[in-house]
Amino acid sequence: DADVTQTPRNRITKTGKRIMLECSQTKGHDRMYWYRQDPGLGLRLIYYSFDVKDINKGEISDGYSVSRQAQAKFSLSLESAIPNQTALYFCATEGTSGSGDEQFFGPGTRLTVL
Amino acid sequence: GDSVTQMEGPVTLSEEAFLTINCTYTATGYPSLFWYVQYPGEGLQLLLKATKADDKGSNKGFEATYRKETTSFHLEKGSVQVSDSAVYFCARKNTGFQKLVFGTGTRLLVSP
Repeated sequence: DADVTQTPRNRITKTGKRIMLECSQTKGHDRMYWYRQDPGLGLRLIYYSFDVKDINKGEISDGYSVSRQAQAKFSLSLESAIPNQTALYFCATEGTSGSGDEQFFGPGTRLTVL
Repeated sequence: GDSVTQMEGPVTLSEEAFLTINCTYTATGYPSLFWYVQYPGEGLQLLLKATKADDKGSNKGFEATYRKETTSFHLEKGSVQVSDSAVYFCARKNTGFQKLVFGTGTRLLVSP
């Protein structure tokens, strides 16, 4: 089984709808991240959480919110989806044993907002 | 601010050709440097990393050396395979604040 899972894998929705993307991990990591990937822009950080009681905005948090329900679960919500939020979304986790730690990525959720 | 610059792709090579993908980073702090690879339809996975100047990361025939004097971390492979076709991301992370900063990615296409 995958260490980092994301649901759904694909979603098509309409402008104005509320959408939740879910991420679960079995790695026991405290740190979790949400990124979006757009062609030619690489990955940009939306939100991150260093433990269950810690939530921080990334570089592009406007229009998004998150919830860290447990160490293993980190959800991303779009309260009112808009077309420019069409992108590939990745969740990632990270251990805490030093600055060189690897981030582990989920398989991604492809979101299309019509 | 912190940033990473990669060469634009796509990079198109024939099998067994030599690969170089250039990456430079802003010289603020003492970052760790990473190369991640994204195969079609998958998430990113760590390919290699280096945590201090002159370190060489290597994995699966790929190598990259942390060059502080040129602020570079170029990815190389002596003989690419069709299965290496993917998007490659260079990234940096400062000590203390653990946020990865990615380059825009370079797509590699290897033909038989």
